Amino acid sequence: AQTVTQSQPEMSVQEAETVTLSCTYDTSENNYYLFWYKQPPSRQMILVIRQEAYKQQNATENRFSVNFQKAAKSFSLKISDSQLGDTAMYFCAFMNMIYNQGGKLIFGQGTELSVKP
Amino acid sequence: EAQVTQNPRYLITVTGKKLTVTCSQNMNHEYMSWYRQDPGLGLRQIYYSMNVEVTDKGDVPEGYKVSRKEKRNFPLILESPSPNQTSLYFCASSPRADKAFFGQGTRLTVV
Repeated sequence: AQTVTQSQPEMSVQEAETVTLSCTYDTSENNYYLFWYKQPPSRQMILVIRQEAYKQQNATENRFSVNFQKAAKSFSLKISDSQLGDTAMYFCAFMNMIYNQGGKLIFGQGTELSVKP
Repeated sequence: EAQVTQNPRYLITVTGKKLTVTCSQNMNHEYMSWYRQDPGLGLRQIYYSMNVEVTDKGDVPEGYKVSRKEKRNFPLILESPSPNQTSLYFCASSPRADKAFFGQGTRLTVV
């Protein structure tokens, strides 16, 4: 069974600085997706970034980038130039690409990020 | 606008009183799921559906029912709610294996 682990329950960063959130996962599958979702106080789940396991190139979306290490089963999120609006809970998630039980996402425990002015 | 709509957003109920949380998507997605979110546990899949009349259990199905009579709707039914079902619930839809779109969440309290 696949598992996702986020070992940092809480983190804080000063506005305009860079922060990295860690995520490790365990799977025997070769084809899968990895995601980072943001959950602000409004509770809405917002997709931040998506990575296909077969792609070696790390995904980037504006100030958000990932460091995908397939062999190490590591998928960290880097937020550059942190903004107050980045304050949120961040979830790392795994989806099996083929046998995925209706698009099932397996989530980590979450990391609560606070951006301080 | 592409969206997943779930209602209600907040619900307080008493133990044993049947309730339904509705979910509707306008993106013609085949796949839909229900998740519950609990502190320290992330989100866990309750039930999922891969098409009309095709549903199956996720990781935490006990105490829940679902139905998929139409492609756009996927209600979550609690026949006899108990306090351990107090949680934050999310409906999600996706076009097969790809990113999921989430509803706004339903905060359920069972007293």
